[in-house]
Amino acid sequence: GNSVTQMEGPVTLSEEAFLTINCTYTATGYPSLFWYVQYPGEGLQLLLKATKADDKGSNKGFEATYRKETTSFHLEKGSVQVSDSAVYFCALRGGNTPLVFGKGTRLSVIA
Amino acid sequence: DTAVSQTPKYLVTQMGNDKSIKCEQNLGHDTMYWYKQDSKKFLKIMFSYNNKELIINETVPNRFSPKSPDKAHLNLHINSLELGDSAVYFCASSQDGGTGRNQPQHFGDGTRLSIL
Repeated sequence: GNSVTQMEGPVTLSEEAFLTINCTYTATGYPSLFWYVQYPGEGLQLLLKATKADDKGSNKGFEATYRKETTSFHLEKGSVQVSDSAVYFCALRGGNTPLVFGKGTRLSVIA
Repeated sequence: DTAVSQTPKYLVTQMGNDKSIKCEQNLGHDTMYWYKQDSKKFLKIMFSYNNKELIINETVPNRFSPKSPDKAHLNLHINSLELGDSAVYFCASSQDGGTGRNQPQHFGDGTRLSIL
């Protein structure tokens, strides 16, 4: 079945540091890939998505590229801010099946 | 103009009670879901409804019964609540019909259920 593996946290960075959160997936066919963010006490918000190989999703300074050859969708940001502190979830969706989530990575950014 | 709204936001109750969580979406989506998030933040699908019909029913105790009166609503009723039911429950929706394949899901803010 489909599955997502993302790096375990927590990840603690200083403000303006470079962020990478690794995500790899296993899926049949050609899934769409997503990153969701959950701020403290809130629901999940879609951060970015990519629907086919080599697509790059981007939003709010975050980027992730759909790499079929390495089955990866790593999340990156060049300069994190304190307000980026949250839990980040990598997820995939094959066809009309529900999202399959990774276990989440907690990011803490300190000033 | 909330897209997916759940009520209540917090629910504190005694073991053995019966409770319901309501969900409504105003996005015109045809598919709705319930997810459970445990204390370690792991998210797991519970149910999925498409146009009021049950599509997915994961391994969930039959104390949990979803009900979809119309495609904009998906409520979750839980009988005989147990300590292990304490979690955050998220409702979500997506448009899967037509060209909606692989569309993202939109989530509510969650209902934090605490069993005493």
